[in-house]
Amino acid sequence: GENVEQHPSTLSVQEGDSAVIKCTYSDSASNYFPWYKQELGKRPQLIIDIRSNVGEKKDQRIAVTLNKTAKHFSLHITETQPEDSAVYFCAASKGQGGKLIFGQGTELSVKP
Amino acid sequence: DAEITQSPRHKITETGRQVTLACHQTWNHNNMFWYRQDLGHGLRLIHYSYGVQDTNKGEVSDGYSVSRSNTEDLPLTLESAASSQTSVYFCASSRDGGSPLHFGNGTRLTVT
Repeated sequence: GENVEQHPSTLSVQEGDSAVIKCTYSDSASNYFPWYKQELGKRPQLIIDIRSNVGEKKDQRIAVTLNKTAKHFSLHITETQPEDSAVYFCAASKGQGGKLIFGQGTELSVKP
Repeated sequence: DAEITQSPRHKITETGRQVTLACHQTWNHNNMFWYRQDLGHGLRLIHYSYGVQDTNKGEVSDGYSVSRSNTEDLPLTLESAASSQTSVYFCASSRDGGSPLHFGNGTRLTVT
């Protein structure tokens, strides 16, 4: 089945710097790649997603890139702010049903 | 507004007892999922359903079961609770493949 690996497990940056989180997936048939943000004690919330027919997608300070050949995708956060501190999860799915397989998570800490 | 509700929010039980966690969604989504979240493992898929009377095993299904008798509910049952099942459990739903997951607030289960 699908396997998603996420790196790094922890990431600390200074406010205003950029942060990059990377994921690789194993199933070449996967076609949907969302990213979730989870604040302490809260539920995961979708922040951005990308489909396999698109190479890059941007939403304000957040962007996601997808390399289907290499089977990896990345989350880029620019001009980080303390409120970006959270755990971020990547995920992958395929087909009609859309069961998501998640990466292990990255704990991002943005220091003022 | 549509929502997905989990109950209870917190549960403490003893080893060997049967436990059922409830999940109710008013999105009218066909797809429903149960995940467990443990430090270092991210979100792991337990069971999922693509419609009424449909259930499927996920990555970590041993010791768990689900049933889907209607669109709105997917209860998760621990047949005989074990300490290894101490975790935070999230229910989620989606309209179809390639659609975002909507998560419930989670149930924190402690097995003593």
